[in-house]
Amino acid sequence: AQSVTQPDIHITVSEGASLELRCNYSYGATPYLFWYVQSPGQGLQLLLKYFSGDTLVQGIKGFEAEFKRSQSSFNLRKPSVHWSDAAEYFCAVGELGNEKLTFGTGTRLTIIP
Amino acid sequence: DGGITQSPKYLFRKEGQNVTLSCEQNLNHDAMYWYRQDPGQGLRLIYYSQIVNDFQKGDIAEGYSVSREKKESFPLTVTSAQKNPTAFYLCASSRQGPSYEQYFGPGTRLTVT
Repeated sequence: AQSVTQPDIHITVSEGASLELRCNYSYGATPYLFWYVQSPGQGLQLLLKYFSGDTLVQGIKGFEAEFKRSQSSFNLRKPSVHWSDAAEYFCAVGELGNEKLTFGTGTRLTIIP
Repeated sequence: DGGITQSPKYLFRKEGQNVTLSCEQNLNHDAMYWYRQDPGQGLRLIYYSQIVNDFQKGDIAEGYSVSREKKESFPLTVTSAQKNPTAFYLCASSRQGPSYEQYFGPGTRLTVT
């Protein structure tokens, strides 16, 4: 069965600093990988997705993620965070033949001045 | 604008009452999903539907029921059999297949006392 692990429950970063959120997954076949962001009390918004091809994918709001098959990871990065990036971030994985997505437990990002 | 609407935003009920949460989409998506979100637990799948008049149980279906009489609508009923119904409920939709991202509604926060 596929699973997703986000090892960091909460991360605090200074505004302007770089950010990396970790995501590790297990799957049975080719994974389809997603990063979503959720502001408090809101729904989830897609940041980026990976299906195949270039392992470095660009998303909205200046985010990027790199698929590393050897490490079973799909970490989210941003070179310089803004106060508006404070939110909860979810990694999700899907696979061919399975119509469901499996979500990680999320990482809450706090930005300090 | 295309999107997913959930109503109401906040819902309060007394213990022992059934309650129905609304989810409507105008994205012409075939697949629709219901998730429950509790602090620290990420998103857990309750039910999903890939086509009208058909739906499947997710990971935590006990105490919930759904219907899919129209492509646009996927209401969720939280029954009195659900032991801990207080939670944030999210509806999502997508095109068919795991490679397509899910689009989320704004959520309904249900409080049962």
